[in-house]
Amino acid sequence: NAGVMQNPRHLVRRRGQEARLRCSPMKGHSHVYWYRQLPEEGLKFMVYLQKENIIDESGMPKERFSAEFPKEGPSILRIQQVVRGDSAAYFCASWAQGPTGELFFGEGSRLTVL
Amino acid sequence: QKEVEQDPGPLSVPEGAIVSLNCTYSNSAFQYFMWYRQYSRKGPELLMYTYSSGNKEDGRFTAQVDKSSKYISLFIRDSQPSDSATYLCAFSGNTGKLIFGQGTTLQVKP
Repeated sequence: NAGVMQNPRHLVRRRGQEARLRCSPMKGHSHVYWYRQLPEEGLKFMVYLQKENIIDESGMPKERFSAEFPKEGPSILRIQQVVRGDSAAYFCASWAQGPTGELFFGEGSRLTVL
Repeated sequence: QKEVEQDPGPLSVPEGAIVSLNCTYSNSAFQYFMWYRQYSRKGPELLMYTYSSGNKEDGRFTAQVDKSSKYISLFIRDSQPSDSATYLCAFSGNTGKLIFGQGTTLQVKP
C-alpha cells in the first residue's frame, strides 16, 4: 500500500479553518475512495471518485465537505470551517477496477482540530 | 440491524495460540469478503480476500465464509507478537466500495 501517497500525514487546524487533504493513487489506478476513521472505530466510507467524476458521495456530510479528483493531479478532500468533531484519520484508497474488491490504502492523514 | 457486526474485543492471547475473529453481515448483495490488518497509526493492508463460501488458506491464516449464515471468520494459527494489530472485516459488491466492520484489536503476548 506504499504506492498510495497521502499528505499531509498530520494536520492541525483551529476551529473555523479549512483543511485540505491530498491523495495520489497507485500508478495506473483511476478510482479513489476516501474513508474516515474516528478513534476506536472502523473505517466509514465517505466518497468514491473517478477522474473528474464523483461516483458515490453517499457517505459525505452534507455541509462543509467536498472532494474532487481532477484530470491532472491528486484527489483532494476539503473540509471547510472545521469543528472538533472532524478530528479523525482520513484514509484514501485506490482501486484498479475489475472483479476483485481489493483496495490499496494510503497511510492516512490525521487531522486534529483545536 | 447494522450492515456489518464485528466484536471489537480487545482480544489478548499467548504466543502460539489459535485466534478466531468473526463478523456477521446482513446485506445479501455483498459478493467479496476481505480481512484487513491495521497496525497502530498505519493504513489498513489487505490480508485475505475471497468471494465464495468455504475456506481459503494462506500460511498461518485461514479465511472462512458461510454465505448461507452471512458469517465470515479469520483464523490465525501459531499466533505471533507481530500479529498484534487491529483486524477489520470488509465487504463489497462490484464497485470497490468497502463496508468495514468496527475492527477487533488483537494482542499476542510473548
